[in-house]
Amino acid sequence: EAQVTQNPRYLITVTGKKLTVTCSQNMNHEYMSWYRQDPGLGLRQIYYSMNVEVTDKGDVPEGYKVSRKEKRNFPLILESPSPNQTSLYFCASSVYPPNTDTQYFGPGTRLTVL
Amino acid sequence: GESVGLHLPTLSVQEGDNSIINCAYSNSASDYFIWYKQESGKGPQFIIDIRSNMDKRQGQRVTVLLNKTVKHLSLQIAATQPGDSAVYFCAENTAGYSTLTFGKGTMLLVSP
Repeated sequence: EAQVTQNPRYLITVTGKKLTVTCSQNMNHEYMSWYRQDPGLGLRQIYYSMNVEVTDKGDVPEGYKVSRKEKRNFPLILESPSPNQTSLYFCASSVYPPNTDTQYFGPGTRLTVL
Repeated sequence: GESVGLHLPTLSVQEGDNSIINCAYSNSASDYFIWYKQESGKGPQFIIDIRSNMDKRQGQRVTVLLNKTVKHLSLQIAATQPGDSAVYFCAENTAGYSTLTFGKGTMLLVSP
């Protein structure tokens, strides 16, 4: 089944404790992206990647890192999480960038930083 | 349940009614627009898209209308069903930019 998977689905952590949210897709997509979703603000893009070893900042990249060492994986790294990073996170992928192709979204990761 | 529905404008309809969800977009240079549906506890799901060289596009039970003059996008859902209850987002993209900008969403509630 073609899908985007994220792990973990739920995470409660404390300020400053490094964490990684994994994202994997099995569709051989080149484009991958991370979004955060907050009440009243909608989805905002954090980082995206056009291909392996190519990553770029989105609208809200501060406090986040990403890597793209393999086509299928695009982990989101929070080196020192803070409470303002409490949010619902979505990974998405598509063959091409979103101006020419439909993005497929993962199920989401609910992160709480205490 | 998810808290994404808080603070959202809400449209409440009866089953069988036609629904119209509106979206005002911000960038006059945007040339590609997408509607997504997000059910509780799930990620957004593509519904329909439209490019700026069109003003109407139809899918199965859904129609998207684009008015570039006033930067307005609408999603029409015919014969709305309880399974259509979800949050609906519009998104815009500009050629040459690899990012999507999402609207804040509208919650659609369909009662039997």
